[in-house]
Amino acid sequence: DGGITQSPKYLFRKEGQNVTLSCEQNLNHDAMYWYRQDPGQGLRLIYYSQIVNDFQKGDIAEGYSVSREKKESFPLTVTSAQKNPTAFYLCASAETSGGAFPFGEQFFGPGTRLTVL
Amino acid sequence: AQTVTQSQPEMSVQEAETVTLSCTYDTSENNYYLFWYKQPPSRQMILVIRQEAYKQQNATENRFSVNFQKAAKSFSLKISDSQLGDTAMYFCAFISPRYNNNDMRFGAGTRLTVKP
Repeated sequence: DGGITQSPKYLFRKEGQNVTLSCEQNLNHDAMYWYRQDPGQGLRLIYYSQIVNDFQKGDIAEGYSVSREKKESFPLTVTSAQKNPTAFYLCASAETSGGAFPFGEQFFGPGTRLTVL
Repeated sequence: AQTVTQSQPEMSVQEAETVTLSCTYDTSENNYYLFWYKQPPSRQMILVIRQEAYKQQNATENRFSVNFQKAAKSFSLKISDSQLGDTAMYFCAFISPRYNNNDMRFGAGTRLTVKP
C-alpha cells in the first residue's frame, strides 16, 4: 500500500539536544512538507521541498533544518535553537508537477509527538 | 496574504442529526482549491472533501457536502446523519496555484463532538 510513514510516534528530547524526525513516502510525490501543530491552532508550515536537493522555508523555520537527498525521504531536525519544540509534527506529500489533479491535495503521515523534558 | 478563518472552535451534534461547520477565506485569486480535512483522535489527517473554485456545483461525498459561496468567500461543510465516528477536529484549507502552489493554508480548526 502506498502511503507516508513517520517515525518515531513519540519522541522525548532533553534540552540542548538535536533530534531528527523521519518521514518517508512511497507515493512517488515530488513535493513534501513539514507542519507543526499546537493545541488550539491549525497547521503551520515549517519547511517544504518541491524536488530533490531543494527546499524552502515556511512560516516558522527558525530552529529547524531539513534535507532532501532522496525523493522518498524528507527528515526534519529540531535543533537546540528551537526554544519551544514540544508539539505534534506532521509530514505530508503532494503531487504538484505535470498538471496533477487533484491539484495540491496533500497526503499526511500519522505524525510524531515531540516532548522536551 | 491568503488566510483561512474557522470561527467555531467547538461544536456538538446529536447522533443522526445534521451539523454545519463554517469556513471563510481571504484571497484575491480567482483560481484556487478548497479542502476539508478531518483529524480524529488518532491524529491522522484525512481528506474529507475538495472543491475547485472554478466549479459552481457544490462538491458532495456521501454524507458530506459543501456550500461554496465564491463571492462571499465562504466554504462551509455540512455533515448529514452524523455518526459517532465523525467526532474529530475539522480543518478547512486553501491553496492557490498562482500564488504559491506549495503553500496550503489551514484554519485553526473546529472540534466536533457527536453525542449518542
